[in-house]
Amino acid sequence: QSVLTQSPSVSAAPGQKVTISCSGSSSNIGNNYVSWYRHLPGTAPKLLIYDNNKRPSGIPDRFSGSKSGTSATLGISGLQTGDEADYYCVTWDTSLTDVVFGGGSKLTVL
Amino acid sequence: QVQLVQSGAEVKKPGASVKFSCTASGYTFTNYSISWVRQAPGQGLEWMGWISGYNDNTNYAQKLQGRVTMTTDRSTNTAYMELRSLRSDDTAVYYCARGTLGGLFFDYWGQGTLVTVSS
Repeated sequence: QSVLTQSPSVSAAPGQKVTISCSGSSSNIGNNYVSWYRHLPGTAPKLLIYDNNKRPSGIPDRFSGSKSGTSATLGISGLQTGDEADYYCVTWDTSLTDVVFGGGSKLTVL
Repeated sequence: QVQLVQSGAEVKKPGASVKFSCTASGYTFTNYSISWVRQAPGQGLEWMGWISGYNDNTNYAQKLQGRVTMTTDRSTNTAYMELRSLRSDDTAVYYCARGTLGGLFFDYWGQGTLVTVSS
């Protein structure tokens, strides 16, 4: 059971926008940067957002990140069928002294 | 271009050890850390720990303390992770990933190594 809570599944239609939330506490999200990853099992995860809201080179601006208090949100606009994957939030937990992953959210583009 | 190339799949018996390798290229190895992350079947991603490419400082996940050791060979830009006393729930795909020296995000990942623990 992760200390970061994500909805197990989210869905939206092609072209629409979806938000994926990640809820934590003051020992993790509240006082540390959050990153987001896309993952298809058996393939290498891909960094989408780091330091709460920064996009690495090559990540389109359809992907956005934000943080407020002890929650973080990944937004994906202009959904494409190719966006179907599992999405994970990640941060440092000061109490556990561990990097912690959220449980993951499976995105379905209907 | 940055690449992390991992060692091949392994099958191990319970109680055995396994040692993974992750060979980096395309960047200055000592400017970054290497983290290890795994995914068991049907489960999410789990961080296992990191090692500094600069000075071999390590930080292991609490639940793996005592069973995991991470090392580097800076002459070959390779990071290693040894996992001991294998159990069936260690069956997973293991990834290495490049991180900042602070280790807080991972921008390049290896292709993954499947380890199956079975008697």
